Amino acid sequence: DAKTTQPNSMESNEEEPVHLPCNHSTISGTDYIHWYRQLPSQGPEYVIHGLTSNVNNRMASLAIAEDRKSSTLILHRATLRDAAVYYCILRDVTKDDYKLSFGAGTTVTVRA
Amino acid sequence: DAMVIQNPRYQVTQFGKPVTLSCSQTLNHNVMYWYQQKSSQAPKLLFHYYDKDFNNEADTPDNFQSRRPNTSFCFLDIRSPGLGDAAMYLCATSSASSGRNSPLHFGNGTRLTVT
Repeated sequence: DAKTTQPNSMESNEEEPVHLPCNHSTISGTDYIHWYRQLPSQGPEYVIHGLTSNVNNRMASLAIAEDRKSSTLILHRATLRDAAVYYCILRDVTKDDYKLSFGAGTTVTVRA
Repeated sequence: DAMVIQNPRYQVTQFGKPVTLSCSQTLNHNVMYWYQQKSSQAPKLLFHYYDKDFNNEADTPDNFQSRRPNTSFCFLDIRSPGLGDAAMYLCATSSASSGRNSPLHFGNGTRLTVT
């Protein structure tokens, strides 16, 4: 399985954008890039996913490099509620299962 | 409004005493998952069901079993808990009909303490 690499931690100020990088240099053509986040004392929640084109939703934006070897999750205006562990995960849509495997993730701290 | 419900939120068991954790869902999703999350670690997949088909991860200890009597309910049985099994146990669901990118919906977990 293709792996992802994320920084262990990042800090941000409230109301400022947060750019969370993810490297996936061995990504295959059938891997989608998924992001989940886990707030303290809660289960993970889905944030966004994409294949090649940049994606936007109400929670965040996902910018995918042209060669797909890296991607960036963008939180446009961080709030204290965005403090969480953010996981970048690859899902191969050709695989005959529905598994989702988590890597280490990035712990995001938001300063008031 | 909760869609994936795990009970209880906290569970204490004794070393070697069997324990069962419960998960129910109101989403009618056909895929259900159990994850183990130890302190400061990422969730680790133990097994998942596609409908009634059980899929065990290769490194899941035999001490962990699961039952899924119907679409809505799934149980995690730990036959002889050891101190190393103390963790947060997370249940999740997804809809296969929405494709392999279908998001997982997680419950808030059951924190298991082994004394």
